[in-house]
Amino acid sequence: DAMVIQNPRYQVTQFGKPVTLSCSQTLNHNVMYWYQQKSSQAPKLLFHYYDKDFNNEADTPDNFQSRRPNTSFCFLDIRSPGLGDAAMYLCATSSSQDVETQYFGPGTRLLVL
Amino acid sequence: GQNIDQPTEMTATEGAIVQINCTYQTSGFNGLFWYQQHAGEAPTFLSYNVLDGLEEKGRFSSFLSRSKGYSYLLLKELQMKDSASYLCAVIGGRDDKIIFGKGTRLHILP
Repeated sequence: DAMVIQNPRYQVTQFGKPVTLSCSQTLNHNVMYWYQQKSSQAPKLLFHYYDKDFNNEADTPDNFQSRRPNTSFCFLDIRSPGLGDAAMYLCATSSSQDVETQYFGPGTRLLVL
Repeated sequence: GQNIDQPTEMTATEGAIVQINCTYQTSGFNGLFWYQQHAGEAPTFLSYNVLDGLEEKGRFSSFLSRSKGYSYLLLKELQMKDSASYLCAVIGGRDDKIIFGKGTRLHILP
């Protein structure tokens, strides 16, 4: 049973061409996270939503935006992808009753040409 | 500053036992996680320690010493499918964020 779903699994975009990655969850968790993970590196938190409250990390570039239209869905928008934005993007969720335990989606691997 | 250290790579033999160490320095501490991540896939939760001591879960055990800023993940009866990266992550800092280490890539030899 899929719990955290990310589409697509692989995304190819062109330098400077906006791209949107999507995440949906069937867990009814109120906290959703977006991480960027580059090869052989730790996942890096970009931002998270606590319900509708958006929390941006201080070092997340302005190029990265997010939307959460409802509890189940969360989007990552990259306005002008650069070559350095090629990475795996991981969506995760947690419940406010157990916020420490995060459930990860399978990730979307982004390639920038 | 905040820092999590773990070995980059380790190799072990099928059926054996391996211990993956993690040391951390954070301005606050509210728990330590271990995640398993197969190549090209998302991390999956293995364990969570917030108190000192050993937590056992099947073939995997995790140990925490808060005074030493130290944890280890112990894998017993290794199987080929255990070949993966193992990420140590700490909840800490002023904002109680999860901070990940770079992971230890574990290779299992037949």
